[in-house]
Amino acid sequence: GAVVSQHPSWVICKSGTSVKIECRSLDFQATTMFWYRQFPKQSLMLMATSNEGSKATYEQGVEKDKFLINHASLTLSTLTVTSAHPEDSSFYICSASSVSYEQYFGPGTRLTVT
Amino acid sequence: AQSVAQPEDQVNVAEGNPLTVKCTYSVSGNPYLFWYVQYPNRGLQFLLKYITGDNLVKGSYGFEAEFNKSQTSFHLKKPSALVSDSALYFCAVRPILLISSGSARQLTFGSGTQLTVLP
Repeated sequence: GAVVSQHPSWVICKSGTSVKIECRSLDFQATTMFWYRQFPKQSLMLMATSNEGSKATYEQGVEKDKFLINHASLTLSTLTVTSAHPEDSSFYICSASSVSYEQYFGPGTRLTVT
Repeated sequence: AQSVAQPEDQVNVAEGNPLTVKCTYSVSGNPYLFWYVQYPNRGLQFLLKYITGDNLVKGSYGFEAEFNKSQTSFHLKKPSALVSDSALYFCAVRPILLISSGSARQLTFGSGTQLTVLP
């Protein structure tokens, strides 16, 4: 149980376009979802926390207009990278949490902006 | 605010030898502590957690960790390392709070330790 999926697993896009990444909790209801960014061989940097049905809370330094997060249901959250640029290339990981203390992580999405 | 330190960027160990990956933490109050493993281009896989109770926690794939409150440490250990254990390991902490709102379930991660098990 407690499976989290992400789609796509790898995406390449051109500079200036927008990319949407989906995060789904497959067998539980996720009241909270977290989005992380990870650079090669570095730790996870929390970008934002989203609760179902409400606006996401962004960490300091994360542009909310650039990284749009929507948590429309208890099983789906999306991250849209708007007007992507090469510096947005990274590994994006989501995690989902129910009423318990644990977070369950998705497999990650590799974004490459050319 | 909580923090996690993993003092070693890299740990090398020979296959069959015991391994230790170090983690110390700082948190107000009592902590929830976690270890995760990450293989290349993959998300994080849960290994084990400490919530309360026995200080020695056993987890997946033969890993265990010992919670030491006086030293604020939660080192990951395995008696006999395998080549397949080579990966990036993260320690994480969050405080135990009476009201567990969404943001309160945030984890703070250490910087990660790359474990290489040599055949």
